[in-house]
Amino acid sequence: DSGVTQTPKHLITATGQRVTLRCSPRSGDLSVYWYQQSLDQGLQFLIQYYNGEERAKGNILERFSAQQFPDLHSELNLSSLELGDSALYFCASSVGGRAFDTQYFGPGTRLTVL
Amino acid sequence: AQTVTQSQPEMSVQEAETVTLSCTYDTSESDYYLFWYKQPPSRQMILVIRQEAYKQQNATENRFSVNFQKAAKSFSLKISDSQLGDAAMYFCAYRKANDMRFGAGTRLTVKP
Repeated sequence: DSGVTQTPKHLITATGQRVTLRCSPRSGDLSVYWYQQSLDQGLQFLIQYYNGEERAKGNILERFSAQQFPDLHSELNLSSLELGDSALYFCASSVGGRAFDTQYFGPGTRLTVL
Repeated sequence: AQTVTQSQPEMSVQEAETVTLSCTYDTSESDYYLFWYKQPPSRQMILVIRQEAYKQQNATENRFSVNFQKAAKSFSLKISDSQLGDAAMYFCAYRKANDMRFGAGTRLTVKP
């Protein structure tokens, strides 16, 4: 158990809908990362937050947005969902915001868009 | 664009033997970081080992070591004394500031 929690574990929804994925980092970690893992595109880095501020941005679509709250939990919002958004979404956390910091991954949220 | 290539989709090793997983990457940067992650059937990603590009010394973590060849842009992972629990997908990753990229992965099977 990495100490990172993600809810829900599974999510099934329809095209055009909007969903919110939630992540609670390990106690003491200030940085949160979001990743998408799909059969088509493999593992992709989406976005990183550090202590409430956006730190790094990867291949995150404009339909997706994220934020990190004062209690350091983070939410990833996915809107206007398409079939291709079906994937495993991981959250990871690290103590600091540096590129070399060890990231601890959560168990992931499996999103299925029908 | 920076790319990370893992040329071996699948590898197999006998228990207690040694196996090497390959990774090459493309970058014009001189300072960056490289990682190997393990994804067992549980799907949870686990950091195996990491390397800072400015360090010439190869990183080691117990049975795991890397062969980092900066000029060749190569970052291979060696697993010694392979154990059944090493069976997993292994991903090579590159990071420089905003840019973090993963290879397509190598599925490692460990035969008893």
